[in-house]
Amino acid sequence: GAGVSQTPSNKVTEKGKYVELRCDPISGHTALYWYRQSLGQGPEFLIYFQGTGAADDSGLPNDRFFAVRPEGSVSTLKIQRTERGDSAVYLCASSLDSGGATEQFFGPGTRLTVL
Amino acid sequence: RKEVEQDPGPFNVPEGATVAFNCTYSNSASQSFFWYRQDCRKEPKLLMSVYSSGNEDGRFTAQLNRASQYISLLIRDSKLSDSATYLCVVTDTGGFKTIFGAGTRLFVKA
Repeated sequence: GAGVSQTPSNKVTEKGKYVELRCDPISGHTALYWYRQSLGQGPEFLIYFQGTGAADDSGLPNDRFFAVRPEGSVSTLKIQRTERGDSAVYLCASSLDSGGATEQFFGPGTRLTVL
Repeated sequence: RKEVEQDPGPFNVPEGATVAFNCTYSNSASQSFFWYRQDCRKEPKLLMSVYSSGNEDGRFTAQLNRASQYISLLIRDSKLSDSATYLCVVTDTGGFKTIFGAGTRLFVKA
């Protein structure tokens, strides 16, 4: 079956602009995670959704970052007033069950470059 | 102190070698533990879960020591295809927030 998909695969924007990154999880997966990964680092947790609600958003770095999952499937990560330090690969993952005990399946990521 | 710490390596080993990776975590109440593998410019993929009793999957053996807050991964008879970054992963007490280590890079050479 289809895996996790993310669009766009690459996004180049200018400092101060607004961007939206989309994640389509595996069908039937109730849990969805967003991470960002900088070069040479592991993925950094941003937010976790169980269904439509954000169960843990403690990893969002500041109020410029926001994520939604209105129908419990597709999720959008929104970044306002982008800064050069936001440049990274943004990864989305989904898993079948809630909690962290089950395998997370990752999408290929969106590479965000802020000029 | 980082929540999950790993030796970044790189580890350069010949084919057929045995190599061990270590990982420590800071939250004694952490619930679940994993090793993920990430190839260059690819997404992470689950290698194996880690249990206190230890678990083995072919050439790979994972161990968890809750008292020492220590996780290990042993790879026997290394293959060229094992070359990748190995990520130590811990979930918090609620089981939601997932913390990745920075990863350990492995290069297996012929």
